[in-house]
Amino acid sequence: QLQLQESGPGLVKPSETLSLTCSISGGSISSSGYYWGWIRQPPGKGLEWIGSIYYSGSTYYSPSLKSRITISVDTSKNQVSVKLSSVTAADTAVYYCARHRDTVVGVADQPAFDIWGQGTMVTVSS
Amino acid sequence: EVVLTQSPATLSLSPGERATLSCRASQSVSSYLAWYQQKPGQAPRLLIYDASNRATGIPARFSGSGSGTDFTLTISSLEPEDFAVYYCQQRSSWPPLTFGGGTKVEIK
Repeated sequence: QLQLQESGPGLVKPSETLSLTCSISGGSISSSGYYWGWIRQPPGKGLEWIGSIYYSGSTYYSPSLKSRITISVDTSKNQVSVKLSSVTAADTAVYYCARHRDTVVGVADQPAFDIWGQGTMVTVSS
Repeated sequence: EVVLTQSPATLSLSPGERATLSCRASQSVSSYLAWYQQKPGQAPRLLIYDASNRATGIPARFSGSGSGTDFTLTISSLEPEDFAVYYCQQRSSWPPLTFGGGTKVEIK
């Protein structure tokens, strides 16, 4: 079955760029109708959506992060990546990648974040 | 931006009791609301999508209802594994996709 796995540095210095990759196995990143999203969760706090990329390549970002975030896909590697520039301590969080969709075409379609990676903790500190 | 407000923040109940969790939207989200369960150290798990549809493999004791601005997640009889944090999330108007602040269901 489809599995997502986040990877990247666990420690990033303030003002530098956070870079994470989500590797997808058991399915194609180009599957029609799906978005690949990033959600983060600061320690002890709730969930925050930071951005998504559609299978066609269109990107959607949180307005609060729009100036600092870039999400891209590498179809040859079946990976989605996120870069967040000029990080501060407020960017310290567990970062999750997750699949979602907006439409229901087939009986198996679930229009929500239906498959999640296990998450990766990123700490911003000098 | 659609703001989702969940209540109560914490629900203290015993196994076997009924849990009723609320999610209120700052504007109508039609039925485009999902519920997730998150246990410590784990990723969230989809429970309900489009307000009332159980996700694959979710037990029947979980049910969702509501439309517009007021939504409810009901757990008919709490099992020990149901003690967790629950989040609602809307996809009606985005970006941004937004989540509620969460309700923690704890053992009384």
